[in-house]
Amino acid sequence: DGGITQSPKYLFRKEGQNVTLSCEQNLNHDAMYWYRQDPGQGLRLIYYSQIVNDFQKGDIAEGYSVSREKKESFPLTVTSAQKNPTAFYLCASSILYAGNTIYFGEGSWLTVV
Amino acid sequence: KNEVEQSPQNLTAQEGEFITINCSYSVGISALHWLQQHPGGGIVSLFMLSSGKKKHGRLIATINIQEKHSSLHITASHPRDSAVYICAVRYRNNDMRFGAGTRLTVKP
Repeated sequence: DGGITQSPKYLFRKEGQNVTLSCEQNLNHDAMYWYRQDPGQGLRLIYYSQIVNDFQKGDIAEGYSVSREKKESFPLTVTSAQKNPTAFYLCASSILYAGNTIYFGEGSWLTVV
Repeated sequence: KNEVEQSPQNLTAQEGEFITINCSYSVGISALHWLQQHPGGGIVSLFMLSSGKKKHGRLIATINIQEKHSSLHITASHPRDSAVYICAVRYRNNDMRFGAGTRLTVKP
């Protein structure tokens, strides 16, 4: 079945460590997105990519990095520079044009200990 | 101030009640999405609207482009409808903005 797979579901990180969250889609979507969700707030865009080997910063990109070497993969690295990384992270994808549905993964819970 | 405002933030209903969740936005959009977030965190898309009204089972979504307002209605609510419902707007440049969500609890 087509969909978006995020891993891991739960991740614990020590302060000062980088971690990478995986996002894979087999929907043949050009656009992929990473969002962060904090309690009581709407999803906020970290990075997005509309084509392989190209990506753009979203509203809260500081302390994060991404790559888009393959159409189906858009991993997110939470670096040690991210001051408050404990959050719920959601990956999404869509066909490029604005009139299409967006699909979400199941999300990844990151806790810094 | 969030570009997308949802109300109420929290809603508790008895099984069988008719439920309405509202969403207002401030600038012109190309589409509006209603999303459902399950307790485990995964999100599914319920509706995508650019005008008028859509219905799927017990769920109905409406949008008034002139008033920049949308509503999600649930008829004959059931405990399995308990979730967070999120309104999201998509602009013509493909940018999306999300409301903070409405947490719905339906009691048996």
